[in-house]
Amino acid sequence: KQEVTQIPAALSVPEGENLVLNCSFTDSAIYNLQWFRQDPGKGLTSLLLIQSSQREQTSGRLNASLDKSSGRSTLYIAASQPGDSATYLCAVEAAGNKLTFGGGTRVLVKP
Amino acid sequence: GAGVSQTPSNKVTEKGKYVELRCDPISGHTALYWYRQSLGQGPEFLIYFQGTGAADDSGLPNDRFFAVRPEGSVSTLKIQRTERGDSAVYLCASSLAGNNEQFFGPGTRLTVL
Repeated sequence: KQEVTQIPAALSVPEGENLVLNCSFTDSAIYNLQWFRQDPGKGLTSLLLIQSSQREQTSGRLNASLDKSSGRSTLYIAASQPGDSATYLCAVEAAGNKLTFGGGTRVLVKP
Repeated sequence: GAGVSQTPSNKVTEKGKYVELRCDPISGHTALYWYRQSLGQGPEFLIYFQGTGAADDSGLPNDRFFAVRPEGSVSTLKIQRTERGDSAVYLCASSLAGNNEQFFGPGTRLTVL
C-alpha cells in the first residue's frame, strides 16, 4: 500500500528565505506526482505536476524535483513572501488513477 | 473557463439523516474523483468515475456511502444514516482522463451533529 510522508509538518521562516519542503513515498511505481497548495477553509490549487519520466518542473519561484528510485520529491520556493503562507500537499498517482496524499506541511512566512 | 464547482459549500445535519453532495466537473473532463479530508490531514480517496461508471470505489468506507454519475458529467455523493465521524470536507476533482492532472473544487464541509 502506497504511503506518502511530508516532513516537516510545520515550518516558519522570515520573508525572503527560501523554502524547502520534502515528500517521500514508499512505492516507486507511480505515474506522476503533484504538489498542491491549500489555504485555510479552501480547496486545493495545483502547483506543479511531474510525470514519472521527468526529474523536475518549474513555475516562477517554484521548482519541484522527483527522484522516483529513492521515492522522494522536494518543492523549493525561492524568496518566500507572506502570501506563500498556506499548507502544501504532495500526492502521488499510481495504478488506478487515484491520488495518495501526504499529511501536508503548514508554512508560515513572517513579514 | 469555469473550474470544478461543489454544492453546498457547507452542510450541517443531524445524526441519522441522509445527505447529498453535488459536484460539477470541468466541461469535457471524463474522469471524476471524490476525496474526504479530515481536519489536519491530507485528503483520502473515496471513488473514481471514468465516464458514467465507477472504475474504483475501494475508498468508500462502508455501504452507507454511494455515488453516481448518470450522464458522465455531474456527480452526487450520497451518505445514508450519517454519523458524527462522517464530519469532514468532501472534495471533488476532475481530469481530462485518468493519469492526468487533477483539478479540485472548493469542497463541501459536512458537519454531523
